[in-house]
Amino acid sequence: DIQMTQSPTSLTASVGDRVTITCRTSQGIGTYLNWYQQKPGRAPKFLIYSISRLEDGVASRFGGSGSGTEFTLTISGLQPEDFATYYCQQTYSSPPTFGGGTKVEIK
Amino acid sequence: QVQLVESGGGVVQPGKSLRVSCAASGFKFNYYGMHWVRQAPGKGLEWVAAVWHDGSKNEVADSVTGRFTVSRDNSKDTMYLEMHSLRVEDTAVYYCARDPRGSSTGGFFDHWGQGTLVTVSS
Repeated sequence: DIQMTQSPTSLTASVGDRVTITCRTSQGIGTYLNWYQQKPGRAPKFLIYSISRLEDGVASRFGGSGSGTEFTLTISGLQPEDFATYYCQQTYSSPPTFGGGTKVEIK
Repeated sequence: QVQLVESGGGVVQPGKSLRVSCAASGFKFNYYGMHWVRQAPGKGLEWVAAVWHDGSKNEVADSVTGRFTVSRDNSKDTMYLEMHSLRVEDTAVYYCARDPRGSSTGGFFDHWGQGTLVTVSS
């Protein structure tokens, strides 16, 4: 199975900050890298697919980048509604696997 | 609008069986692959199973192989997860999710249900 390692596991930030979350994979996954946001008690919400393509309706302050085995989710100008846990996911090979999550908390 | 509604969760004793369902609406169900993803209390997301858009193929995670079976009935726009020989470590919220790709790879999970809680406890 492809292992997904997210860092940091948690971070504290203020409204307006630029936040970067990293996801490293145990082997190359091409462009099959997705990102999800989850708020407490809620189902995950799909944000980004194919490394950098925003799902319809997702705010443009969210951005994805990377290649090979290292990928990044960036939130430019953190908003109050962005405080949540973020997960990366690979669908390059089965089983699809998720990172352990990064919790973004309010400073 | 797209809706996925899970049902069938509850409290069950170790070793027993349970079936959870995912009812879909608002889209052409038979065009999409479907997945089950679970989340143990306070933990991350774990993929559990996938079924191809036409039901011709399915896959389950190694952690549930031989115990869980995924299926779908496209005439009822519903996916199922049959769980047998349940263990305490199967306790989790079980989500269903839609995948525009028909298989378990190459896609993404663009819509999720609200989840159904399965608690395995004596």
